[in-house]
Amino acid sequence: SQQGEEDPQALSIQEGENATMNCSYKTSINNLQWYRQNSGRGLVHLILIRSNEREKHSGRLRVTLDTSKKSSSLLITASRAADTASYFCATDPLGGADKLIFGTGTRLQVFP
Amino acid sequence: DAGVIQSPRHEVTEMGQEVTLRCKPISGHDYLFWYRQTMMRGLELLIYFNNNVPIDDSGMPEDRFSAKMPNASFSTLKIQPSEPRDSAVYFCASSPQKLAGYNEQFFGPGTRLTVL
Repeated sequence: SQQGEEDPQALSIQEGENATMNCSYKTSINNLQWYRQNSGRGLVHLILIRSNEREKHSGRLRVTLDTSKKSSSLLITASRAADTASYFCATDPLGGADKLIFGTGTRLQVFP
Repeated sequence: DAGVIQSPRHEVTEMGQEVTLRCKPISGHDYLFWYRQTMMRGLELLIYFNNNVPIDDSGMPEDRFSAKMPNASFSTLKIQPSEPRDSAVYFCASSPQKLAGYNEQFFGPGTRLTVL
């Protein structure tokens, strides 16, 4: 069964607004990663946060991790139409033998 | 770097036919993963290899599915016989040896399989 569950399932916003996506997981992890998938393409790695980190930034992306609540959030600031894609969280479970468990994804639509 | 290469990009076949999907991972990567993505089931891990050795094939749905990695630069996923419910996008991904907790995966463009 998938470990990561994201919400919302779908999100529509206007350009310039911020987009926040949340991910919950079930077991202890080594790290948590976020990926983007444009329509008809493969997934692209965005950012990785380790279990001992609480917040990480990369450009317009901000990721937080709360291991006590087993949850993470991805914030995209000042969104652009090009940010339209599906976003997936993926967890690297402790003792998970090097495989990632992907969530169900959030479909983000950014209107110009 | 060309990234992960998959072929074919699209495959349309009839039920009962054999289908072979191919993947060339990024040079130097030790891990190779095969995933299947559908609207209903999302992204599912089918099997993964470490240094050409299958480590976990628990996601392979049935005996009709098989995967091989004869060398570090090539892997195949075979479906024989194919069924309409196998229609999906199949992704290959590779990853370098995990160092200091970093194990991001690099995905290929996928093969869209349609079984009629």
